[in-house]
Amino acid sequence: LAKTTQPISMDSYEGQEVNITCSHNNIATNDYITWYQQFPSQGPRFIIQGYKTKVTNEVASLFIPADRKSSTLSLPRVSLSDTAVYYCLVGDDNYGQNFVFGPGTRLSVLP
Amino acid sequence: GAVVSQHPSRVICKSGTSVKIECRSLDFQATTMFWYRQFPKQSLMLMATSNEGSKATYEQGVEKDKFLINHASLTLSTLTVTSAHPEDSSFYICSARDTDRDRETQYFGPGTRLLVL
Repeated sequence: LAKTTQPISMDSYEGQEVNITCSHNNIATNDYITWYQQFPSQGPRFIIQGYKTKVTNEVASLFIPADRKSSTLSLPRVSLSDTAVYYCLVGDDNYGQNFVFGPGTRLSVLP
Repeated sequence: GAVVSQHPSRVICKSGTSVKIECRSLDFQATTMFWYRQFPKQSLMLMATSNEGSKATYEQGVEKDKFLINHASLTLSTLTVTSAHPEDSSFYICSARDTDRDRETQYFGPGTRLLVL
């Protein structure tokens, strides 16, 4: 089971780009990397998923280096509504492996 | 697509009673659903994995006789907290995988806040 390490908290200002890095040194060959966003008293929301290189969607980009031992979630031009906890999960679709949450990163976007 | 609902969203009960929480995948079939518990300011903790038509698999330290899970159809899983006590008060969240489309991604329900008095 690939353990993940993220910064506990980050602060940013509106309009800035925010990069949150997750370390997963023992990631396995079949593991995917998935990021979720959670607001208070809500279930996590899927943001982005990748296996290698770079993935981009309408809300974020995910950068994964060649060794896949880390990944970086990039949020362009954050707003106050992006204040949330962001979780990085690593695993494959085998039973149980993709579903252990670390402590996450609490992002605070300031005006 | 990939919408998961939970009912109820909030429940208050007396100590010793049982509470049932429903988790439904609204627009896809989910052979596997997951149940999590989250205490304030903490991360989600996986409680069990629910597979349609078979017994749930519980994580270490989770009492299967206290947290009964039933996954009778491809769109519904239920979690029953039996003989609830104040320490069971928490935020319970389910998730489901859309196995036909995206096997690596979970879709989460909105959560159920349980308060045991």
